[in-house]
Amino acid sequence: NAGVMQNPRHLVRRRGQEARLRCSPMKGHSHVYWYRQLPEEGLKFMVYLQKENIIDESGMPKERFSAEFPKEGPSILRIQQVVRGDSAAYFCASSPRTGRAGNTIYFGEGSWLTVV
Amino acid sequence: GQQLNQSPQSMFIQEGEDVSMNCTSSSIFNTWLWYKQEPGEGPVLLIALYKAGELTSNGRLTAQFGITRKDSFLNISASIPSDVGIYFCAGPKEGGADGLTFGKGTHLIIQP
Repeated sequence: NAGVMQNPRHLVRRRGQEARLRCSPMKGHSHVYWYRQLPEEGLKFMVYLQKENIIDESGMPKERFSAEFPKEGPSILRIQQVVRGDSAAYFCASSPRTGRAGNTIYFGEGSWLTVV
Repeated sequence: GQQLNQSPQSMFIQEGEDVSMNCTSSSIFNTWLWYKQEPGEGPVLLIALYKAGELTSNGRLTAQFGITRKDSFLNISASIPSDVGIYFCAGPKEGGADGLTFGKGTHLIIQP
């Protein structure tokens, strides 16, 4: 886990507000992944980004969710008009290149979103 | 769609016992990964398997890549209290793109 920094670690939002989760990948890593974990579930892939490009967003809900990984700065996962069902742990992972080998993907400690 | 089924869902064992858990998939995998997640933390990679039949160890942990390429097993010998956590199997997401598919996890609880 060392090196992939996520913030905030915990976030409380009222229904209808926006949530922004940030992820700074490990130094030298240009590939970022976002996963969501609901209680008692495994992690579910949401989106895969490289610098300035969304490569695969097949796991992203069609509405209210967006992600970016700008040339400078952290990757951002943005959830607009949050609903109670968005309450979950959101994990970011990074790799220096394609992560198919698995052993080069490192996870952050997660951001826990609670919608009240 | 692609599914990973882990069993058992949870295990209550005594310290010192050996642990065995498995993961089966609905499709063939070319890579199997085992992660451990502790409360409030992200998953940490324990063992990666890349070849059918492969048996790989990491300390007291041993994992095997099933011959059919549709299953994998994780064994922990002589469990200790710090082994407590959720163990997830994972494999490459279908469609050839990057990303992982995870099982729902096996909760390991150790009674002193």
